[in-house]
Amino acid sequence: DGGITQSPKYLFRKEGQNVTLSCEQNLNHDAMYWYRQDPGQGLRLIYYSQIVNDFQKGDIAEGYSVSREKKESFPLTVTSAQKNPTAFYLCASSTGFQETQYFGPGTRLLVL
Amino acid sequence: SQQGEEDPQALSIQEGENATMNCSYKTSINNLQWYRQNSGRGLVHLILIRSNEREKHSGRLRVTLDTSKKSSSLLITASRAADTASYFCATDALSYNQGGKLIFGQGTELSVKP
Repeated sequence: DGGITQSPKYLFRKEGQNVTLSCEQNLNHDAMYWYRQDPGQGLRLIYYSQIVNDFQKGDIAEGYSVSREKKESFPLTVTSAQKNPTAFYLCASSTGFQETQYFGPGTRLLVL
Repeated sequence: SQQGEEDPQALSIQEGENATMNCSYKTSINNLQWYRQNSGRGLVHLILIRSNEREKHSGRLRVTLDTSKKSSSLLITASRAADTASYFCATDALSYNQGGKLIFGQGTELSVKP
């Protein structure tokens, strides 16, 4: 059963805390992406990775960090430097850079 | 500024009617894609249309692309209540400062009433 999974579905962050969102895919895709979506808005690109051990900043990378140690996994850390982290976070993957992207179900991050 | 912008922002129709959503973009593209998002869920890919194509169909969906006007439209025929969702266009701007990555518009929120 191929697909892309994200966990957890809901995540609560305390002030000054770093939290990590998980994204895993078994589609054998080279490219992976993290997007942030605010209510009533489109998607904004946080980070993307075209290949293992390589990643690039997107439009709104400040306050976020990623790693790509395995092809299947692209975790996103929301650091304490991100002052407004409350949003819906979506992970996606694709075979190539401008091709169809397949999305996970999303993680909703809330601040306590 | 946005590469892709959808119009209208919100659309409410009755079941059985057709729904048309438009997308305009600013720079040359390789392809344009349409995605659907149900509330609180991830996006689902609907159709990809390449810059050398003018029209594409998939079931009740029809997408057109006019590269001279830098615009695309998504038509959903014989709409159903289950079509209620947000619809996004995404473009891969060749010369936009994003270096060819997909740029998503803000979406059209479609409501189909039974």
